[in-house]
Amino acid sequence: GNSVTQMEGPVTLSEEAFLTINCTYTATGYPSLFWYVQYPGEGLQLLLKATKADDKGSNKGFEATYRKETTSFHLEKGSVQVSDSAVYFCALSEYGNKLVFGAGTILRVKS
Amino acid sequence: SAVISQKPSRDICQRGTSLTIQCQVDSQVTMMFWYRQQPGQSLTLIATANQGSEATYESGFVIDKFPISRPNLTFSTLTVSNMSPEDSSIYLCSAGTSGASREQFFGPGTRLTVL
Repeated sequence: GNSVTQMEGPVTLSEEAFLTINCTYTATGYPSLFWYVQYPGEGLQLLLKATKADDKGSNKGFEATYRKETTSFHLEKGSVQVSDSAVYFCALSEYGNKLVFGAGTILRVKS
Repeated sequence: SAVISQKPSRDICQRGTSLTIQCQVDSQVTMMFWYRQQPGQSLTLIATANQGSEATYESGFVIDKFPISRPNLTFSTLTVSNMSPEDSSIYLCSAGTSGASREQFFGPGTRLTVL
């Protein structure tokens, strides 16, 4: 079946550091790929998405590129802020629009 | 995008009782789903809520334990029946439209504690 694997956390960075959270997937077809963010005590917010190979999703300084050849969708940000501290979930959606989530990666940014 | 609200936002319940969670979307959507997020874990899909017919459950989830209704395109309920402490989780409703993007929007969740 379809699955998503994310790097384990927590990831702890200093403010203005470069962020990468790795995400790889397994799918039988051509999924859409997503990054969701969950701030403490809140629900999930869609951060960015990509629907086909080589698409780049971007939002709030975060970027991720849909790489079909490596089945990856790594999340990057050039300069993190304390307010970026949250849990980040990589997810894919295929038939029936059902989402399959990775385990989530906790990001902690120190000032 | 769609704005989704859930009620209640949190509850503390006694073992053996049932709780019904409501999900309201501010626009008509094709798809509605219910997820469970156990403490410190990722999200697991419980079922797809189908308008006017029985929900489609994922492996490991059954209708007797998690009955779901969806009477129209903007509203759904999830009931957690005969609760035990293992049901303590956050329950999230999501909604989306069919199409190429397949994106879903999530409600704020219902934090359930079973004593």
